[in-house]
Amino acid sequence: EDKVVQSPLSLVVHEGDTVTLNCSYEVTNFRSLLWYKQEKKAPTFLFMLTSSGIEKKSGRLSSILDKKELFSILNITATQTGDSAVYLCAVVDSGAGSYQLTFGKGTKLSVIP
Amino acid sequence: NAGVMQNPRHLVRRRGQEARLRCSPMKGHSHVYWYRQLPEEGLKFMVYLQKENIIDESGMPKERFSAEFPKEGPSILRIQQVVRGDSAAYFCASSWDMQETQYFGPGTRLLVL
Repeated sequence: EDKVVQSPLSLVVHEGDTVTLNCSYEVTNFRSLLWYKQEKKAPTFLFMLTSSGIEKKSGRLSSILDKKELFSILNITATQTGDSAVYLCAVVDSGAGSYQLTFGKGTKLSVIP
Repeated sequence: NAGVMQNPRHLVRRRGQEARLRCSPMKGHSHVYWYRQLPEEGLKFMVYLQKENIIDESGMPKERFSAEFPKEGPSILRIQQVVRGDSAAYFCASSWDMQETQYFGPGTRLLVL
């Protein structure tokens, strides 16, 4: 059974800090890894990663995948209070019947002024 | 530029009643995924549908749950004879093709009394 473990489960930082969120996974036939941001509503898509070592970047957020060690990290630099959310990591198993996402439990990030 | 729409946003049912959750995908999307998020748990895949077809229902409980995506109108997730354990947030996601980049709706919070 595919498995995704995120750490830490929760994190409190001050505005301006840099944070690193971790996601490790076990999947039978890895296809891709995705990051989502979930506030009090819909999870919003951040990144999709398929290849090792290639950093994806969007503003202050960046992510990288290590397919050998089976993990990904999400970095947020110069955090702002608007970054407070639950960050979800998910993997896709190409051997499954569909491109269903297998999610971790998320990391709850709280950014305090 | 409407995103994925779900209604109702909140639904209260008594044990034994039926719950009907609706999902309208993004414009141009014909693929729908349903996920369930139990308290303190990650999102779990339930079912994947294309117009008029159920493609993968491997995550769907065998009894009381059904889903459809008719040619016209929204996708419906139906739960018959609800029990307290069905209380959860139910999220719908859509994509324009069978792909892992899925766009989520705001969810329906179901509370069973």
